Amino acid sequence: NAGVTQTPKFRVLKTGQSMTLLCAQDMNHEYMYWYRQDPGMGLRLIHYSVGEGTTAKGEVPDGYNVSRLKKQNFLLGLESAAPSQTSVYFCASSSVAGPAFFGQGTRLTVV
Amino acid sequence: QQQVKQSPQSLIVQKGGISIINCAYENTAFDYFPWYQQFPGKGPALLIAIRPDVSEKKEGRFTISFNKSAKQFSLHIMDSQPGDSATYFCAARGISETSGSRLTFGEGTQLTVNP
Repeated sequence: NAGVTQTPKFRVLKTGQSMTLLCAQDMNHEYMYWYRQDPGMGLRLIHYSVGEGTTAKGEVPDGYNVSRLKKQNFLLGLESAAPSQTSVYFCASSSVAGPAFFGQGTRLTVV
Repeated sequence: QQQVKQSPQSLIVQKGGISIINCAYENTAFDYFPWYQQFPGKGPALLIAIRPDVSEKKEGRFTISFNKSAKQFSLHIMDSQPGDSATYFCAARGISETSGSRLTFGEGTQLTVNP
């Protein structure tokens, strides 16, 4: 029972490079989320999805794009990475009225 | 705009003591209030949660107290143990037909329990 799986776990990017973070869940959840975690700021919602083929902006969407082509997968893209995007990224999923389950995180450093 | 405010930012407790973390929220449409526990290098994990129609929920050593009129809720950890040392986040969920279910998190509390 894998739950929510994120890949990769660690990544170092140079400023201006692009990358995609992959999130996969095996709980048949409708909702999926991408958060970033920075010291002293809790978890801030970047983008989320309420179902396959739908996405919406969260609190801090600038510089990120997402796609949900399949119900079980939610991709987070950085088109042109900036040092301000150095953070730990968490994916989560939930049923419509249930609790959110989180992945193990991706630690991204942009130099 | 921070809709969920959490305090303290850090907390040091002796083994066997009571740890208390407080949260306050602004949006009266929130309908679900979970607490998450996070160990270093791991993702947050659901610890305990409460809905606004009850004032208290207890699971083992962990208790949530909820004050709807004051828009505040708190986590109490009884008989705190060194293994409880972690970061704790409160959260609040709002649901709308258009935007679905969204969790808003507090800033987090770093709890250290000394042996």
